[in-house]
Amino acid sequence: DVLLVESGGGLVQPGGSLRLSCAASGFTFSSSAMHWVRQAPGKGLEWVSRIGDTGTQRHYADPVKGRFTISRDNAKNTLYLQMNSLRVEDTAVYYCAGDRGGLGDPWGQGTLVIVSS
Amino acid sequence: DVVMTQSPLSLPVTLGQPASISCTSSQSLVHSNGNTYLNWFQQRPGQSPRRLIFQVSNRDSGVPDRFSGSGSGTHFTLSISRVEAEDVAVYFCMQGTRWPPYTFGQGTKLEIK
Repeated sequence: DVLLVESGGGLVQPGGSLRLSCAASGFTFSSSAMHWVRQAPGKGLEWVSRIGDTGTQRHYADPVKGRFTISRDNAKNTLYLQMNSLRVEDTAVYYCAGDRGGLGDPWGQGTLVIVSS
Repeated sequence: DVVMTQSPLSLPVTLGQPASISCTSSQSLVHSNGNTYLNWFQQRPGQSPRRLIFQVSNRDSGVPDRFSGSGSGTHFTLSISRVEAEDVAVYFCMQGTRWPPYTFGQGTKLEIK
């Protein structure tokens, strides 16, 4: 089965850091661009970041540029999101997603990040 | 950035009746390679989003054939031929032609009348 499993979310104070992980299985991870997408409580979907299949191409949404870093380990079939200088407005469920036929397949179950004092 | 605008934002539908959701982009979504990267997602209550349609009209694996996508340029439509109870969800369109950033519509909440 194709599966993406996120982990690493939790409660963090403003200004703090977290690293999210996304373990992939059931498809050729090393051949797929990957994304992080987030959803604030009761809100819509917001694209956060994309990384190319080899990891050399990385793109970020303006609200997270300079604070978040996307990376991947193709040997471990794992995607990461290092989040620094977290703000209250970063509170959201963070999803990882593949790029088969474009963004959105496969899609993980999400991990909740709460930034609060 | 490309702005994606959905309508309606709330869609009450009678079981067994058709439904359609419109999505308009602020710029043409035709890529230089000739493809149009417009996707549709379904998010049922309490669940993660699930992609239904990619590149305007291609159904993802396991998606019932009552769902269909159409459109071109800047105007797109998700259609459900006969709404079932399991279709209660929020539906989002998303463009992947002019990125970064990838951008989503606001979401349309489908409910049963």
